[in-house]
Amino acid sequence: SAVISQKPSRDICQRGTSLTIQCQVDSQVTMMFWYRQQPGQSLTLIATANQGSEATYESGFVIDKFPISRPNLTFSTLTVSNMSPEDSSIYLCVSGGLFHDEQFFGPGTRLTVL
Amino acid sequence: KQEVTQIPAALSVPEGENLVLNCSFTDSAIYNLQWFRQDPGKGLTSLLLIQSSQREQTSGRLNASLDKSSGRSTLYIAASQPGDSATYLCAVRWDGTASKLTFGTGTRLQVTL
Repeated sequence: SAVISQKPSRDICQRGTSLTIQCQVDSQVTMMFWYRQQPGQSLTLIATANQGSEATYESGFVIDKFPISRPNLTFSTLTVSNMSPEDSSIYLCVSGGLFHDEQFFGPGTRLTVL
Repeated sequence: KQEVTQIPAALSVPEGENLVLNCSFTDSAIYNLQWFRQDPGKGLTSLLLIQSSQREQTSGRLNASLDKSSGRSTLYIAASQPGDSATYLCAVRWDGTASKLTFGTGTRLQVTL
C-alpha cells in the first residue's frame, strides 16, 4: 500500500488569502486525486491531478479557485485561492493506479478560514 | 444519477455485539466498492475492497459483502470493541469513471463499554 503525507496538517487562514497543500506519496502512482470534506459532509472529488498536464476538474470546481500541480509521479499540490469561510474543510490527497484498484488516502489537511 | 446511501447515520452498540452497516447504490454497473474507516479529525483508512466480480471480502473481524443486483453492500463487524468506534464510509467506483469514488454519507459507530 502507498503511504501518503500531507503538509500542512492544519491551518487557520484569513479570508482572501491562499493556501497551498502539498501531497507526497512514497512510491510512484499513476493516479492522484484531491477530495474535499466539508463539515458534517461526506467526501467530494475536486479533481484528478494529471502528471505533466492540466488537472481534470469535477463539476462545480474550477482551476482558478483550486489550481493543482503534479510535476512527477509522487508529488502534487492543491492551492485554495482567495479563501472564504465556505472553504473551511478537510482536504485529502488520494493515490491509486488506474488498474491498482485500492485507493489510499492521505491524513488530510484541516483548513479553517476566518 | 449515481448515488450512494448509508443507513443508519449513527449507531451505538455495547461492546461484544456483532453489527451490520449498510450501503446502497443506485447503479449496478460498478467497478468496485471500498469500505473506509475515518476517525475524528483524521483521514481515511481503507478496510476492504470488493471487486465487481466478487461477493465478499474478509479481513479479521470484518466481512464485506456485495450484491450488485440489489444495489447493496454490507459491512459486518464481529465482536465489536470500543476501538471500533469511528465513522464508516462506503465508496463506489462506477464503470467508466476513471477511478473516481462516490462516497456515502457514512455511519457513525459508537461501541460502548
